[in-house]
Amino acid sequence: GENVEQHPSTLSVQEGDSAVIKCTYSDSASNYFPWYKQELGKGPQLIIDIRSNVGEKKDQRIAVTLNKTAKHFSLHITETQPEDSAVYFCAASSGGGADGLTFGKGTHLIIQP
Amino acid sequence: EAQVTQNPRYLITVTGKKLTVTCSQNMNHEYMSWYRQDPGLGLRQIYYSMNVEVTDKGDVPEGYKVSRKEKRNFPLILESPSPNQTSLYFCASRLQETSYEQYFGPGTRLTVT
Repeated sequence: GENVEQHPSTLSVQEGDSAVIKCTYSDSASNYFPWYKQELGKGPQLIIDIRSNVGEKKDQRIAVTLNKTAKHFSLHITETQPEDSAVYFCAASSGGGADGLTFGKGTHLIIQP
Repeated sequence: EAQVTQNPRYLITVTGKKLTVTCSQNMNHEYMSWYRQDPGLGLRQIYYSMNVEVTDKGDVPEGYKVSRKEKRNFPLILESPSPNQTSLYFCASRLQETSYEQYFGPGTRLTVT
């Protein structure tokens, strides 16, 4: 089955700086790569996703890049703000079926004022 | 408002006392699933359901049961809870088995003493 590795487990950045979280996956059949943000006391919320026919996708301050050859994808957050503090999860999926989403172990992003 | 709801949000119980965590979605989604979240382990799928009366095991099904008698509801049943089932539980849904976007409920924090 799929295996997703996520790094780092904790990331502390100064407000206004950029943050990058990286994930690798093992199953070359995976074609959907979402990122979830989990705030304290809440369920994970989808913030951006990318499919295997696209190399990069951007939505305001967040962007995701995908390198299918190397089997890795990254989340980039620019001009970080205090409300970006949360746990971020990457995931990979082959697009449905029994296996659903395989998640990374999460990155705790801390924005220092 | 489109959402996934879970009840209760917090539960403290004793070993062996049967309990049910309810999950309901109002988006007419076919696919629903349960995850547990543990520190350092990320999100792991317990059970999933591709439609009414169709359920199957995820990665960590031991000690859990589910049922899917109606499309909108997917309760998680612990017949004889044990302390190792102390965890944060999330219900999730997506439109179909082959759909990509998944929506999570707010979580149920269960403590078994």
